[in-house]
Amino acid sequence: RKEVEQDPGPFNVPEGATVAFNCTYSNSASQSFFWYRQDCRKEPKLLMSVYSSGNEDGRFTAQLNRASQYISLLIRDSKLSDSATYLCVVTYYGGSQGNLIFGKGTKLSVKP
Amino acid sequence: NAGVTQTPKFRVLKTGQSMTLLCAQDMNHEYMYWYRQDPGMGLRLIHYSVGEGTTAKGKVPDGYNVSRLKKQNFLLGLESAAPSQTSVYFCASSWTGANSYEQYFGPGTRLTVT
Repeated sequence: RKEVEQDPGPFNVPEGATVAFNCTYSNSASQSFFWYRQDCRKEPKLLMSVYSSGNEDGRFTAQLNRASQYISLLIRDSKLSDSATYLCVVTYYGGSQGNLIFGKGTKLSVKP
Repeated sequence: NAGVTQTPKFRVLKTGQSMTLLCAQDMNHEYMYWYRQDPGMGLRLIHYSVGEGTTAKGKVPDGYNVSRLKKQNFLLGLESAAPSQTSVYFCASSWTGANSYEQYFGPGTRLTVT
């Protein structure tokens, strides 16, 4: 099983739609969780951290299920500007400072 | 603030040539990282540094060397380029370790080795 797995997509949705991405991780000792966003031919940028209690930032909601080892990202009322690749990122307890593991990303395309 | 900058943005090398990629950050971050990103693969850590004068290997260090002589700069060297090193290289920096704080990425260097 890969360390961090994501559905590569692409997810093609109309403006205003709600879309959800899931991510699974293999190491139960995982410590911190993030969603990064990467626009085409650009660098990744932090979208939001993911907390055990779940957290929301505007139209974006992130959830963590430690028992099932998965993380989700929900985007409500999709905008054209949400088109990007969303990277699931996991870090591990007791590892070196380099232990930030990226998923391959899920591509989202929002159409008018 | 410029954030994280990378030089050059694009480069084409012939097999066996050498080059150095430069990363600079003006946020006074302690930690710096070099990643490579290939189609169909996630970002993979090459080397990282937890402070000036220190470096450590990441997951894919073979064929690369690094140096952190100044806190704000992190250099990635390819001594003898191979086609397998064709990739997009991203530098990143953060206040502390990867599991605590956001990493800020540079715009990337697109390297082609022929």
